[in-house]
Amino acid sequence: GAVVSQHPSWVICKSGTSVKIECRSLDFQATTMFWYRQFPKQSLMLMATSNEGSKATYEQGVEKDKFLINHASLTLSTLTVTSAHPEDSSFYICSATGLGDNEQFFGPGTRLTVL
Amino acid sequence: SQQGEEDPQALSIQEGENATMNCSYKTSINNLQWYRQNSGRGLVHLILIRSNEREKHSGRLRVTLDTSKKSSSLLITASRAADTASYFCATLPFHNEKLTFGTGTRLTIIP
Repeated sequence: GAVVSQHPSWVICKSGTSVKIECRSLDFQATTMFWYRQFPKQSLMLMATSNEGSKATYEQGVEKDKFLINHASLTLSTLTVTSAHPEDSSFYICSATGLGDNEQFFGPGTRLTVL
Repeated sequence: SQQGEEDPQALSIQEGENATMNCSYKTSINNLQWYRQNSGRGLVHLILIRSNEREKHSGRLRVTLDTSKKSSSLLITASRAADTASYFCATLPFHNEKLTFGTGTRLTIIP
């Protein structure tokens, strides 16, 4: 099956620093990648949709200047949390489509803790 | 919010029993999918049911879809301790790639 990886799997940073999370499709070309955020014991909330070579589309209420998304190739998208604060601590999950049927393949997630 | 609702929020059953989770959604859909998530981990895709299907089976899983009621159910038969996880439904509308996730059900199987 299609495999999506994320790196790092967890990160702890100080308040005010920026953190970059990578999402890679390992065995297929991802035309679209999605970024989700999940707070403890809650569901996944879509943050943004990213298409290769174009600007990401952000969901309402998500600050595009705070959550920078770059989809530079068909196998890599990055999410940068700029000037992170403790309220940004969350589980960030990416997914990718590209194999037809609009099926999304999910990465294992990245746990961000901001001190 | 367009997020779907799932019930129950939490469910604890004895190993070997059947577990049923329900999902309701608000808009017309292309398909509905069920996912499992172990604590602190990523999502595992379980099953997809299209809007023109009413029931689908996969191993110990049985999914039903009632588009007139905008609801779906996931039945896990002969539950095992390894089934302990959170289960989410997610809907995909027509002409759109965005999945909308339900609120989830936390299932605990008691050995």
